[in-house]
Amino acid sequence: DIQMTQSPSTLSASVGDRVTITCRASQSLNNWLAWYQQKPGKAPKLLIYKVSSLESGVPSRFSGSGSGTEFTLTISSLQPDDFATYYCQQYQSYSWTFGQGTRVEIK
Amino acid sequence: QMQLQESGPGLVKPSQTLSLACTVSGGSINSGGYHWSWVRQPAGKGLEWIGRINSDGSTNYNPSLQSRVIISVDTSKNHFSLELSSVTAADTAVYYCATYRGGGSGVGSWGQGTLVTVSS
Repeated sequence: DIQMTQSPSTLSASVGDRVTITCRASQSLNNWLAWYQQKPGKAPKLLIYKVSSLESGVPSRFSGSGSGTEFTLTISSLQPDDFATYYCQQYQSYSWTFGQGTRVEIK
Repeated sequence: QMQLQESGPGLVKPSQTLSLACTVSGGSINSGGYHWSWVRQPAGKGLEWIGRINSDGSTNYNPSLQSRVIISVDTSKNHFSLELSSVTAADTAVYYCATYRGGGSGVGSWGQGTLVTVSS
């Protein structure tokens, strides 16, 4: 299995802050990496796929980058609606795996 | 965009089989290139991928659950199903169905999720 490790587990930030979340894979991914946002009681929502492609309707303040085994999700200017938990997911292998999640909370 | 809706019992007894269905609307489950997945989330914890049935009918499962899982498609009902056998309290979770559009596009459509509790 490909293991996905996110950091940090929790992030405290203020509205307007630039926020970066890191995801590391246990082996190289062929760009098959996605990011999801989840709010309490709701299903995950796809934000980014193939490392850096923005899903339709997702604000441009979200961006993804990286290659190989290290990837980042950046929120350029945190908005009140962005306080949520974020997950990375690899779909490189036949067996998909998620990171453990990063909770973005209000500072 | 496909819409997905989970259905099934909210309470299952230990050692029994958990069975859920996911009804697809806004498109056909026969749509080429789509892969149909199940993901679960225990309360307060992260997402766990259970498995998927691919557009060619092949299946892939989480190795940790593989011996207990079956995912299948019923084209006549435009839905796909999850069966998880020999359940224990550790299988208590919100279960989501979701679809991957293929071509590296990520899991773009999700059901709202359904809570399944394993308890006697």
